[in-house]
Amino acid sequence: EDQVTQSPEALRLQEGESSSLNCSYTVSGLRGLFWYRQDPGKGPEFLFTLYSAGEEKEKERLKATLTKKESFLHITAPKPEDSATYLCAVQGARGGGADGLTFGKGTHLIIQP
Amino acid sequence: NAGVMQNPRHLVRRRGQEARLRCSPMKGHSHVYWYRQLPEEGLKFMVYLQKENIIDESGMPKERFSAEFPKEGPSILRIQQVVRGDSAAYFCASSPSMDEQFFGPGTRLTVL
Repeated sequence: EDQVTQSPEALRLQEGESSSLNCSYTVSGLRGLFWYRQDPGKGPEFLFTLYSAGEEKEKERLKATLTKKESFLHITAPKPEDSATYLCAVQGARGGGADGLTFGKGTHLIIQP
Repeated sequence: NAGVMQNPRHLVRRRGQEARLRCSPMKGHSHVYWYRQLPEEGLKFMVYLQKENIIDESGMPKERFSAEFPKEGPSILRIQQVVRGDSAAYFCASSPSMDEQFFGPGTRLTVL
């Protein structure tokens, strides 16, 4: 069974204070690892897909990296508008329920001005 | 290009009634996924459909829940004889392939 564990559960930072969110996973045949952002009362917003160890992707103040066991979402000089819950998900080998994504419980990030 | 659309956004039902949730995928997307998010829990996969076919329903309860994605019209998630434990946010996602999934705003179901 695919599993995703995110840490920390919650993180409070000052504006401009860089940090990283962790996503540890176990999956049978990784097809992709996904990062989403979710604001209260809204659906998850797609950020990144990573497919293989060593891959990195960037978007504005966010950078996602992937190893064989975990992924990191680095946030550089965050702003208050970056406050949200960040979700990590994996998609395993086809079949057996793996067509859907397996999500972690998320990291609730608060950026204080 | 409009995003994934879900309606209603909020739905209140009494125990024993039926709930019907609708999802219109993004234009050009033929893959639809339904997820449930319970309070304080992560998103849980329920079912994966392509036009007129259920591909994977391994995450959907065997009783009272059903899903369809007809040739014409939106995908429907139907919950019969709702119970309080069905109260949750239900999200639909669509994909042009079997990779990135784009989520709708969700339907918040409250069972009284």
